[in-house]
Amino acid sequence: NAGVTQTPKFRVLKTGQSMTLLCAQDMNHEYMYWYRQDPGMGLRLIHYSVGEGTTAKGEVPDGYNVSRLKKQNFLLGLESAAPSQTSVYFCASSLPGQGFPGANVLTFGAGSRLTVL
Amino acid sequence: AQSVTQLGSHVSVSEGALVLLRCNYSSSVPPYLFWYVQYPNQGLQLLLKYTSAATLVKGINGFEAEFKKSETSFHLTKPSAHMSDAAEYFCAVTPAGTASKLTFGTGTRLQVTL
Repeated sequence: NAGVTQTPKFRVLKTGQSMTLLCAQDMNHEYMYWYRQDPGMGLRLIHYSVGEGTTAKGEVPDGYNVSRLKKQNFLLGLESAAPSQTSVYFCASSLPGQGFPGANVLTFGAGSRLTVL
Repeated sequence: AQSVTQLGSHVSVSEGALVLLRCNYSSSVPPYLFWYVQYPNQGLQLLLKYTSAATLVKGINGFEAEFKKSETSFHLTKPSAHMSDAAEYFCAVTPAGTASKLTFGTGTRLQVTL
């Protein structure tokens, strides 16, 4: 029962480099999300997806791109990393809808710690 | 738009004492409210949720929260703290009946001392 798996767990980048974070879920969830967590700021939504082939901007989308080519995967890309993108990134997934026990409940991955020098 | 405010970024209690973590929300429509817990170097786990059924919600590990519309609050309580409760706690809100685009508070770190 893997749940939500994020790779890599740790990465150090130099300013201007690019990278992709991979999120994979095995729960057949429709919705997937990328959050970033910074001290004193809680979690802020970067991008999300409500189904395969769809993506949408969250609260802090600038500097990031995402893709959801397969239902179980949600990729977060940084084209040109900046020190301000040093953070811990969390992927999450959920079922849509309401009125049943699992509705609106997010399952989180363990996080990916990114440092940009 | 919706938001949550968690009062107190750090709370310290003695083992066996009452735990009270405060959360106030703002929402232009009826909300769904959640408490998540994050242990060191881990992702967030759901503690409990309010989705317009009973206003007193019981969660895992002995935690509970009460939805008070008149006070726009959803405070988290536990009668007797245990050392294993030391973690960071996040309150979150989403409009009822919409996609699960949660808005999180800034978190409260709970310290439990002997």
